[in-house]
Amino acid sequence: EIVLTQSPGTLSLSPGERATLSCRASQSVSSSYLAWYQQKPGQAPRLLIYGASSRATGIPDRFSGSGSGTDFTLTISRLEPEDFAVYYCQQYGSSPPCTFGQGTKLEIK
Amino acid sequence: EVQLVQSGAEVKKPGESLKISCKGSGYSFTSYWIGWVRQMPGKGLEWMGIIYPGDSDTRYSPSFQGQVTISADKSISTAYLQWSSLKASDTAMYYCARRLKVAGPGPFDYWGQGTLVTVSS
Repeated sequence: EIVLTQSPGTLSLSPGERATLSCRASQSVSSSYLAWYQQKPGQAPRLLIYGASSRATGIPDRFSGSGSGTDFTLTISRLEPEDFAVYYCQQYGSSPPCTFGQGTKLEIK
Repeated sequence: EVQLVQSGAEVKKPGESLKISCKGSGYSFTSYWIGWVRQMPGKGLEWMGIIYPGDSDTRYSPSFQGQVTISADKSISTAYLQWSSLKASDTAMYYCARRLKVAGPGPFDYWGQGTLVTVSS
C-alpha cells in the first residue's frame, strides 16, 4: 500500500498570498496518478487536480499541480477567501486501495 | 447534470445491520465505477472500495475487506454499502463518489452529499 504524507499539517496564510502544499509518496506513483481535493466544513470533497497537473472541470487557473514519482505539489497562486479549507492528495494508480494523504489545513492568518 | 444522492442519516445500535444507498443520475450509471469513502469524525478520508455497476466487479481496501459489502442494482442506478454487524467504530460520514472516466484509472469527480452513520448503545 502506498502511504501519502502531506506537509505541512497546517498552513497559515493571508488572502492574496501564494500557497504551496506538498504530498510525498512512500513509493513511486505510477503514471502520475495523483489527485488533489478540497474539502470545506460540512461539504463533500471537490476534485481540483488529477494526473498530477490537469485541472478538473471548472477549477480556477490559480490552482496548479506539479510533480512526479514520489513528490507532488499543489500551488494556489493568489489565495482567495474561499480557498481556506482542507486539502487532500490521493494516489489512484495502485489499487486497491487508492490511498489519501492525511490532509493539510489551509487557514487564514 | 450528474448527481449522486445518498440516503439519509442513520442512528443504530452495536450489532445491528445497515445498508445505505447512493443513487446516480444524469449519466450512464453502468459505465462508471462508484466508490465509497469513509471520514471518521474530525479525521481524513479513507478509500473503502469500488464497484463497476455494469458487471458488479468489486474491489476492496484490505482495511475494509470482510467488514463491509459493496453492491449495486443497475436497474435502479443505485449503489450500496452495507454492514452485517455494526460497531461503535463505524461511526462516520460515508461518501459515495463516481470515478472520472479517463484512459486508465481515474480519481473521483462527482461526490454524494454524504451519509452520517452513528452507532451508539
